[in-house]
Amino acid sequence: AQSVTQPDIHITVSEGASLELRCNYSYGATPYLFWYVQSPGQGLQLLLKYFSGDTLVQGIKGFEAEFKRSQSSFNLRKPSVHWSDAAEYFCAVGEETGANNLFFGTGTRLTVIP
Amino acid sequence: DAGVIQSPRHEVTEMGQEVTLRCKPISGHNSLFWYRQTMMRGLELLIYFNNNVPIDDSGMPEDRFSAKMPNASFSTLKIQPSEPRDSAVYFCASSLDRKAFFGQGTRLTVV
Repeated sequence: AQSVTQPDIHITVSEGASLELRCNYSYGATPYLFWYVQSPGQGLQLLLKYFSGDTLVQGIKGFEAEFKRSQSSFNLRKPSVHWSDAAEYFCAVGEETGANNLFFGTGTRLTVIP
Repeated sequence: DAGVIQSPRHEVTEMGQEVTLRCKPISGHNSLFWYRQTMMRGLELLIYFNNNVPIDDSGMPEDRFSAKMPNASFSTLKIQPSEPRDSAVYFCASSLDRKAFFGQGTRLTVV
């Protein structure tokens, strides 16, 4: 069965520092991988996705993520964090065939300090 | 496009009352999802539709919950009767080609 693990519940970084949010997935076939961001009181917004091809994918707001099949990981990175990046981040995996739903991790809350 | 539209944004109701949450997906999207978000359980998929047909409702917690999608532009999630433990934020999302877009959610409080 598909599952997603986000081992960090809460991360605090200083503004301008680099960021890496971890995501590990469990899926038997080729996964479709996503990162979503949720600002307080808002719905989830798609940051980036990986379907196939280049394992380093670029997203909106300066985020990128790297798919590493050998580690079953899809970590999200940003070289320099802005205060407006404070939010909750969700990693999700979708199935290659058949069902079209997404399985979400439990989320990582990012706090940015000045 | 206005995105996924959910109504109401906030709902406060008394235990035992019927609650109906509404969703208008993005035009052209062929899948629609209902999620529930709580602090304790995170994001849970309740049900999803492909081309207006319910595909998987295994996430629906009890028979008190029901969802319909009478056409491609409208879906409802109904709770009858509601209970305090149903208090949560309910999200609707629609997708095309596995890219899901979420509404802003309905915050339900059952007192």
